[in-house]
Amino acid sequence: GENVEQHPSTLSVQEGDSAVIKCTYSDSASNYFPWYKQELGKGPQLIIDIRSNVGEKKDQRIAVTLNKTAKHFSLHITETQPEDSAVYFCAATADKLIFGTGTRLQVFP
Amino acid sequence: DGGITQSPKYLFRKEGQNVTLSCEQNLNHDAMYWYRQDPGQGLRLIYYSQIVNDFQKGDIAEGYSVSREKKESFPLTVTSAQKNPTAFYLCASTRTGLRYSNQPQHFGDGTRLSIL
Repeated sequence: GENVEQHPSTLSVQEGDSAVIKCTYSDSASNYFPWYKQELGKGPQLIIDIRSNVGEKKDQRIAVTLNKTAKHFSLHITETQPEDSAVYFCAATADKLIFGTGTRLQVFP
Repeated sequence: DGGITQSPKYLFRKEGQNVTLSCEQNLNHDAMYWYRQDPGQGLRLIYYSQIVNDFQKGDIAEGYSVSREKKESFPLTVTSAQKNPTAFYLCASTRTGLRYSNQPQHFGDGTRLSIL
């Protein structure tokens, strides 16, 4: 079955810097890759997603890239702000959605 | 605003006790899901329901039970058979149950269950 690995588990950046979170997946049939942001005490919220027929997708300061050959995808956050601090989860799906283990991002003012 | 409401926010269970977590949605979504979240782990699927009066076991269904009598509601019961119930429980929904894994999931704000 599908396995999703996510790195790093924690990431600290200065406000204004960029942050990159990487995920790899094992099932080449996976075709949908969402990213979720989870704030403390809240449920995950979808921030961006990409399908396997697209290599890159951007939404303001957030972008996701997908490399199907290498079976990895990444979340890029530019010009980070303190409110970006949260836990970020990647996920991949072939027949079911499998989540990565999460990255705790801290943005210091 | 449409969304998913989970209650209670915090719940405590005594030994040998069954407890029920509530999940209600007003998004008119067909499919609903229950996940368990443990520290340092991803979300793991407990049960899901693609349509009213139907539900399927997920990856970690043992010790849990669900019902789906109404489209809006998908309660989860944590039974005494679940020996390690302490976790954060999340309910989610998708617009349809067809190819559900390819759709964005909408989550509630969770219930934190602890053992007394």
